[in-house]
Amino acid sequence: GESVGLHLPTLSVQEGDNSIINCAYSNSASDYFIWYKQESGKGPQFIIDIRSNMDKRQGQRVTVLLNKTVKHLSLQIAATQPGDSAVYFCAEISNTGNQFYFGTGTSLTVIP
Amino acid sequence: DGGITQSPKYLFRKEGQNVTLSCEQNLNHDAMYWYRQDPGQGLRLIYYSQIVNDFQKGDIAEGYSVSREKKESFPLTVTSAQKNPTAFYLCASSIAGDTEAFFGQGTRLTVV
Repeated sequence: GESVGLHLPTLSVQEGDNSIINCAYSNSASDYFIWYKQESGKGPQFIIDIRSNMDKRQGQRVTVLLNKTVKHLSLQIAATQPGDSAVYFCAEISNTGNQFYFGTGTSLTVIP
Repeated sequence: DGGITQSPKYLFRKEGQNVTLSCEQNLNHDAMYWYRQDPGQGLRLIYYSQIVNDFQKGDIAEGYSVSREKKESFPLTVTSAQKNPTAFYLCASSIAGDTEAFFGQGTRLTVV
């Protein structure tokens, strides 16, 4: 079966610092990898995705890095703000394009 | 406003009763999904549907049932056969094969 997991369940950073959230995956055949943000009591929201043939993709204050050699995905958040406090999930789409598989999540706390 | 709506937000049921969770979307998405989230856990796929009148089991379908009679609606029934139904249930929809899934606000089901 497929599995997506995270190295660290919790992460605390000072406001203004950069955050790095890591994720390991096992299915080499996934076409896309995605990061979602879930605030307390809400559903997850899409942040950014990266296609499996790319190494890096940048968004607004976020960068996703994909290392296919070691099956590792990371989300970098620049100048972390209090509003970034949430649980972050990595996810992958199966190569059939039919299912999203989510990791356990990392809880990010931004310290003012 | 386009979006995906889950109702109710909180639901209490007695053990042994079936309960149906509502999920409606007006995004014209073909694909819809149901996930279960337990505390400190990731999202686990219960059922998904790529098109009206068709749906597929996810990883934890036992004790659940769904229907997809209309494109806009994908209700989930938690049956008495589900041994541990207390959880946070999330519905999502997407353009089939797209990386961005749109989630509802979730329904927190408590069985007493």
